[in-house]
Amino acid sequence: SSELTQDPAVSVALGQTVRITCQGDSLRSYYASWYQQKPGQAPVLVIYGKNNRPSGIPDRFSGSSSGNTASLTITGAQAEDEADYYCNSRDIWVVFGGGTKLTVL
Amino acid sequence: QVQLQQWGAGLLKPSETLSLTCAVYGGSFSGYYWSWIRQPPGKGLEWIGEINHSGSTNYNPSLKSRVTISVDTSKNQFSLKLSSVTAADTAVYYCALLEGARGYWGQGTLVTVSS
Repeated sequence: SSELTQDPAVSVALGQTVRITCQGDSLRSYYASWYQQKPGQAPVLVIYGKNNRPSGIPDRFSGSSSGNTASLTITGAQAEDEADYYCNSRDIWVVFGGGTKLTVL
Repeated sequence: QVQLQQWGAGLLKPSETLSLTCAVYGGSFSGYYWSWIRQPPGKGLEWIGEINHSGSTNYNPSLKSRVTISVDTSKNQFSLKLSSVTAADTAVYYCALLEGARGYWGQGTLVTVSS
């Protein structure tokens, strides 16, 4: 099925490492992309492909994948990383995960 | 750098047809699928559908019966029509390119359906 499942909320202490996960059958065949969305703004691409960052995205953001699970890791989370994060992939059609609200404590 | 600029009516009555257009500036228009995505207030992202420069489309099955996406390659524009809207269609609508490193989004348009 074309569904991606994310934990609704995750928290991390300032400067610590956090992993946000995304599960779905399509991830066995396709890489996930990850988008960051702050209130009132359009989503911004932070990770795509195996583990690639667009220009301007800090290197504390990284991606990985295993089986049906994709992960976004933020190493040394900053206050400005507090946002909603969405995974995205394609199977028969394009699909987004439900989103994870990241709180930086 | 690709830029997407979108426009359309922001207030509709139930049963009317939503109509939005997205213009693409910079980069290549052909060779990609261009998407429409929506986000109800306080909720997550929902993919609506996509179109390429040749007019080939793919739609979210949950909306397929009411959605039409079209393209005007002479203007590098693509458009969304969603018929028979209800309050459940109230959302911010985005146009976007979701192709690997090319993750570009329009500014979003809030469409409110209210009688």
